[in-house]
This record gives sequence, structure tokens and C-alpha cells, in this order.
Amino acid sequence: EAGVAQSPRYKIIEKRQSVAFWCNPISGHATLYWYQQILGQGPKLLIQFQNNGVVDDSQLPKDRFSAERLKGVDSTLKIQPAKLEDSAVYLCASSLVPHSYQETQYFGPGTRLLVL
Amino acid sequence: GIQVEQSPPDLILQEGANSTLRCNFSDSVNNLQWFHQNPWGQLINLFYIPSGTKQNGRLSATTVATERYSLLYISSSQTTDSGVYFCAAPYNQGGKLIFGQGTELSVKP
Repeated sequence: EAGVAQSPRYKIIEKRQSVAFWCNPISGHATLYWYQQILGQGPKLLIQFQNNGVVDDSQLPKDRFSAERLKGVDSTLKIQPAKLEDSAVYLCASSLVPHSYQETQYFGPGTRLLVL
Repeated sequence: GIQVEQSPPDLILQEGANSTLRCNFSDSVNNLQWFHQNPWGQLINLFYIPSGTKQNGRLSATTVATERYSLLYISSSQTTDSGVYFCAAPYNQGGKLIFGQGTELSVKP
């Protein structure tokens, strides 16, 4: 079974530029998560989708970050404009059972973003 | 929401040594996961262990839900075990995981 796919793997941009990340979850997984991991810290949730609807975006900086999951499969996360403090690894995860705290989450390889 | 704390923050071992990593959580949980983040940044699922004990090769994990802690045991450590180990628990029942700060393990040959 293929895992969670993410692209690009690395991205370097200058502050105030825009950037977009893409995620393809494991086939059949209804729930998709975007986490931000700053160096030296554990991942923190940015947004959670259930199929193509948003379940939790309370920690998403909505003035600059946006995300969508069209057709309930792939998802994109966008930052516009980027700030220096956005430098982090952006991890996508998916889980099979919708809205269940008992389900294992599987993570993609992440996208490393460096904002100069 | 739940808080997750891990100890020790970092650990250096000689190859072949055993180690125990600890995860404390502030509230009762129905889901506790252990992950290994390798040097390339990939988070790899180790255990889904809301209670009891599980073993997978040289690794085992025990969660005592009533006392709000979980332990990860690594026996006969190898250099490939190096990386950061995270435990994570769900925030309320929404599915999103709250991660600890991690334990950075370095196994020397």
C-alpha cells in the first residue's frame, strides 16, 4: 500500500513570496491533517479535513495560510505572503476512520520550507 | 486540552545498550502513539498503544492509562535507532494529535 505522498520535498523562498504544498493521502483515508513542525519541536496541527470539509482550523494563521481539499482526496496548503517564522517542516498525515480518536495517523515525508 | 511531556529530552547510548523513554500526559487518553522521526524527517509509526504492552522486535511499549504515562523500551540499541522519538495523544476526541517535545536519541558505534 502506498504511503502519504508530499511534494515538493524542499523549498527555499524569500519572505513575502508565496508557496504551495501538495499532499496525496493513503487511498481511502477520509481524514487528512496538515501539521507544522518547527525545528526542535513536535508537530502542531494547522488544519484537519474530514473528506472535503474542515473539522479544525483553529491553529491556522488565516491571514496568510489557506488550505483546501477538493473532492476529498488531494490537498494543498498555501502560504501568502511567507514570513521568516514560517520556516519549518510541513507534514501531511491521513487516517482511515473518520473523526475517531482511536485511529492511527500515517505521516508523509514532509516538505522542508526555508524562508530567507 | 491535553498536555504531553517527554523525558529525557536527549539521550546518548553506546551501541548495544538498553534505554527507556517516558511520556506523561495530563488527562486520560483513548489513544497514545509513539513515533520515530529519522534523520531525514520521516515520522514512522512505532506503536498505537492506549493501554497495556506491545512488542515489536527490539522495541516494546507500555501504557498505564490510569497513571497517565507510557514507556518506550529500546533493547540492544543500534545506530539506526538514532533520531527523535515522539509520543502523541489526541486532543479531546477530535483526532488531531498533541505531540510531546520529543526525546533525541543518539546511538554511537
